[in-house]
Parts: sequence; structure tokens; C-alpha cells
Amino acid sequence: DTEVTQTPKHLVMGMTNKKSLKCEQHMGHRAMYWYKQKAKKPPELMFVYSYEKLSINESVPSRFSPECPNSSLLNLHLHALQPEDSALYLCASSLPGTGTYNEQFFGPGTRLTVL
Amino acid sequence: DAKTTQPNSMESNEEEPVHLPCNHSTISGTDYIHWYRQLPSQGPEYVIHGLTSNVNNRMASLAIAEDRKSSTLILHRATLRDAAVYYCILRRETSGSRLTFGEGTQLTVNP
Repeated sequence: DTEVTQTPKHLVMGMTNKKSLKCEQHMGHRAMYWYKQKAKKPPELMFVYSYEKLSINESVPSRFSPECPNSSLLNLHLHALQPEDSALYLCASSLPGTGTYNEQFFGPGTRLTVL
Repeated sequence: DAKTTQPNSMESNEEEPVHLPCNHSTISGTDYIHWYRQLPSQGPEYVIHGLTSNVNNRMASLAIAEDRKSSTLILHRATLRDAAVYYCILRRETSGSRLTFGEGTQLTVNP
């Protein structure tokens, strides 16, 4: 199974709502990632988890709160978002460590719209 | 991280070879060259990577210039399914898991 699944596929939320994005993989990968992709732009790294611990936070605003409850699951909790946070949120996983051969497997993304 | 430069867009005809160029004149000795592609409405997918020697896999070939300042991703017979944005990414051992995407090349494949 080389699949990364993400739920929901689409999400519309108001600026006062709290919602969560979910990502799951069963490839035994111990590194998991969140990326944000605006329309017609490349993905931008937000967070990296390695062995369930946060290893990289690319200065993401605190209204985005990642969580890695176990080695297969990655969540992104959203609170008090702004309309400019509307984007495609991509999850990825890979073998951990600094091996540059560790390809990342991406999910299809969650399309988020903030009203 | 060193920067890559790719054409914004390229066009090809179905069943013909496609050569996608990437310039990386500031590449360092420990930078690996990775290629990912993103099909419409999907997440990126790994294509190929290399360090110094040319590489082949079931999806594509990667030709790396002798001075490593440029590389070319080769799709031997383009299909309509190969229409995607292709990203050339330099990945340094010391940058760990980080992937820094550039703007990429939008490949259009004509039937």
C-alpha cells in the first residue's frame, strides 16, 4: 500500500470555526509533512514530523496547529483562519532521516476555503 | 538552498520524446537533483533523482551535465497522462527532509 489518504477532500469554514484536516499512511513511514499550495503556485512546506515529534515548523502562524498522534496519523487543527489561508493542503510521508533518496509520497490534498 | 530555473511551460506531441531542462548553476557538491511532477488535481509524485551520473527508471531518464550546473528530465514517449507541472528540486543532505519546490514547468501534451 503506497497511498497517503487525506480527509476531507473539500472543506469550507468560517473565520470563527475550528476544524481539523486528517492524513493517514500505512507504509511504515516515520516522517510526515504538511504543505500548503495556493492556486498556480508550488507547494510550500509548513511542518515536518519525524518519529512523531515536530522537527520543522516553517514559521507557520499559530492558527495552524499540527498533531501527530501516532506513526500513521497526522492532523492539522485549524482555528480562526483568514480568507488568505484558502489553499490546497497537502500531506506527505517518507522514510525518516536525512537520506536524500527518501522520496516523499503525497496525498491528493484537502481543498480549504475560508469565508 | 541552491536555486533552480525552469521554463514556465513546454509543449509536446503524444508519443514523442520530451526534454525538460533545469538550470542550477549554484549547485553544491552535496546537492542531489530530484524531479517531482504534479498531475492536475493530485499531489506531487516522485519521478527520479540523481547526483552525478545519468539515471534511468521506469518513468523517465535524468541526464546530468558534467559540471552539474544543469540537468534534463527525459520522457521517452510522452502520453496525455504525462501532462503535469514538473518540478526540479535540489536536495541537500544537511537540509534533512525538506523539499523546496520552485515554480516548475507546465508540460502540455498534444494528441
